[in-house]
Amino acid sequence: GESVGLHLPTLSVQEGDNSIINCAYSNSASDYFIWYKQESGKGPQFIIDIRSNMDKRQGQRVTVLLNKTVKHLSLQIAATQPGDSAVYFCAEKSHVAGGYQKVTFGTGTKLQVIP
Amino acid sequence: SAVISQKPSRDICQRGTSLTIQCQVDSQVTMMFWYRQQPGQSLTLIATANQGSEATYESGFVIDKFPISRPNLTFSTLTVSNMSPEDSSIYLCSVVGSYNEQFFGPGTRLTVL
Repeated sequence: GESVGLHLPTLSVQEGDNSIINCAYSNSASDYFIWYKQESGKGPQFIIDIRSNMDKRQGQRVTVLLNKTVKHLSLQIAATQPGDSAVYFCAEKSHVAGGYQKVTFGTGTKLQVIP
Repeated sequence: SAVISQKPSRDICQRGTSLTIQCQVDSQVTMMFWYRQQPGQSLTLIATANQGSEATYESGFVIDKFPISRPNLTFSTLTVSNMSPEDSSIYLCSVVGSYNEQFFGPGTRLTVL
C-alpha cells in the first residue's frame, strides 16, 4: 500500500547549524509533495511544496529536494533557529478515484534546536 | 491564505456520549477535509466533506461513527459518536486554498474518559 515515512523520529541541532529532515515515499504516482511544520498545540502549517517534475525548490531559509529515483524527499533548514523547533511532516498528494486528490502524511520528525 | 477556526478547542467527554466539532472558514472553499491525529502520531484522513452531498470516508472510518455535515462552502461539522477512550485525539479541519495549498485549523483536542 501507499506509505510515506521518515528515517529519523527526533533530530537535535545546534542553533545556527543547518538541519536536514528526510522522508521516503512509496507511491510513485504521487505528483506533489509538501512539508508541514506543527508546533505544539497548533495545526500543521504549510512550509514549502514541490511538484514531481522538479528536483529542488527553495524558499526563505528552506530548501526541498526530491529524488524520484530513490523516492526520497528532504527538507533543509538553513541557520536553524529556536523558533524552528517543531514536528515536521512530509506529505504526498496523489489522485484517487472520484477526481480528488488525497494527501497522505508521513510519521513526523521532531526537530529540537539547542540554544 | 484561508483562516480556519474550530469549536470547541478542547473538550473532555464521558464514554458513550457524542461531540460535534465545528469548522468555520473565512472564505468559500471547494475542498474541506477532516483529519485525526492521535497522541504523538501523524495525521490520518477521516473523510472529505462534500457540499450538498454525503461525505467521502476513508478506509476504517464510517458515517455512523463520524457523521459529517457540509451545509455550505464555509462551514462543516464532524460528530464523534458513541465515544470511547480510543477516540481521544486531536481532530483537525483542513481546506484547499486558491493555489492548491492545504491549510489546517488549530484542531480540537478531545479526551474521552
